[in-house]
Amino acid sequence: EVQLVVSGGAVVQPGGSLRVSCEASGFIFDDYAIHWVRQSPGKGLEWISLINWDGGSSYYADSVKGRFTLSRDNSKKSVYLQMDNLRPDDSALYYCVKGSEGHHADSSGLSYFDSWGQGTLVSVSS
Amino acid sequence: IVVTQSPVTLSVSPGERVTLSCRASQSVSINLAWYQQKPGQAPRLLIYGASTRATGIPARFSGSGSGTEFTLTISSLESEDFAVYYCQQYNNWPPYTFGQGTKLEIK
Repeated sequence: EVQLVVSGGAVVQPGGSLRVSCEASGFIFDDYAIHWVRQSPGKGLEWISLINWDGGSSYYADSVKGRFTLSRDNSKKSVYLQMDNLRPDDSALYYCVKGSEGHHADSSGLSYFDSWGQGTLVSVSS
Repeated sequence: IVVTQSPVTLSVSPGERVTLSCRASQSVSINLAWYQQKPGQAPRLLIYGASTRATGIPARFSGSGSGTEFTLTISSLESEDFAVYYCQQYNNWPPYTFGQGTKLEIK
């Protein structure tokens, strides 16, 4: 069974930083890209970033580009989302999501999201 | 690519057949997925490739369409199907984009 356990959510002040972690099990971790999707309270889903199978490539939504950074440690089956210069509109439930493919160099990146973690709440408020 | 779902809310009775719509602002071929989200839970993949059911998804769920117009049909609503449904395109990325969701509520 695929599991994605997310931790690290917290209340932070505007301009602050936070790192959230996602630990995976139940699949061959280094075959797949990992994505992050967030959901503001009572709102819809927003894709914010992905990191490919080996951590060599990452992509970001414009809303977080330059402020958020993804990394992964395949030996620990973990992905880390570093969030800097946080703003109140970053307040959301952050989901770690397994992509359907690895975003290898020769792949299309045509990836849907086949397994979701439980989410961690990030609140940015003074 | 902007993805638009309709209607925003749908009031239906158990046992009814329901069709949800999803429209993309430009062609996404068949690279469209549907997800179900119940209150307090993470979304769950229902359909990918516009019409392929994910593992463990009941046959009453079906998807169709290509290009810019897609539908999710639930043939006979059961009580556990009342939830919010999202479509998502993955043809042109980044970003991967979701519709705003359709909420199925009990009439």
